[in-house]
Amino acid sequence: AQSVTQLGSHVSVSEGALVLLRCNYSSSVPPYLFWYVQYPNQGLQLLLKYTSAATLVKGINGFEAEFKKSETSFHLTKPSAHMSDAAEYFCAVSVDSGGGADGLTFGKGTHLIIQP
Amino acid sequence: ETGVTQSPTHLIKTRGQQVTLRCSSQSGHNTVSWYQQALGQGPQFIFQYYREEENGRGNFPPRFSGLQFPNYSSELNVNALELDDSALYLCASSLDSRFYNEQFFGPGTRLTVL
Repeated sequence: AQSVTQLGSHVSVSEGALVLLRCNYSSSVPPYLFWYVQYPNQGLQLLLKYTSAATLVKGINGFEAEFKKSETSFHLTKPSAHMSDAAEYFCAVSVDSGGGADGLTFGKGTHLIIQP
Repeated sequence: ETGVTQSPTHLIKTRGQQVTLRCSSQSGHNTVSWYQQALGQGPQFIFQYYREEENGRGNFPPRFSGLQFPNYSSELNVNALELDDSALYLCASSLDSRFYNEQFFGPGTRLTVL
C-alpha cells in the first residue's frame, strides 16, 4: 500500500522568504503525486501534479515541486511567500492498483504560516 | 461551468442516528469520490462511484454506503452514527475513474455527532 509523510505539521516563514514544504512517499508501483491547498472552510484546490512527464512540475500561484525518485520525495517550493499563501497544504499519492480505485492517499498536512 | 457542490454545509446528529450527505459533480464528470477528513488530519478515501457503480472502497465499515444517480450526483449514507464519525466529509468529482485524473473537491459537509 502507498503512503505519504509530510514533515512538519506547521511551517512559519516571513513574507518574501522561500517556502519549502516537505513530502515523502512510499509506493511499490510508479506513483502519481499531487499537492493540494485548503483554505479555511473550503475544499481542496489542486496546486500541481506529477504524472511522470517531467520531474520538475510548475503549478499555480508560483509553486513548483520536484520529483526525486531516489529520495522518494516531492517537496513543494515557492521562491517568495505572500500573505495569501497562508493555508493548509496536503501532499497526496495515487497509484494504479490494477483493480478498483484506491483514491488519493493524503499526508496529514502542513499548516503554512506567513509572518509579516 | 458549475463546480462541485455539497449539501448541507453543517449537520448535527446524535449517536445511533443515520445521515445522508449529497454531492453534485462538476459538469462532464462521471466519477465521484468521497473522503472523510477528521480534525487535524488529511482526507481519507471512503469510496468511489463510476457510472453509478461502486468502483473502489477504502478501509471503512459497511455502515458507510453510497449511491450515484444517472446525472452523476451522489449520496453518502452513514448508519448507526458514532462519535468518531464527526468530521468534514469531502466529495470530489473527476472526468472518469482513471487514477491519474485530477479530482475537483467540493467545500465539504461538517458533521458533528453528539
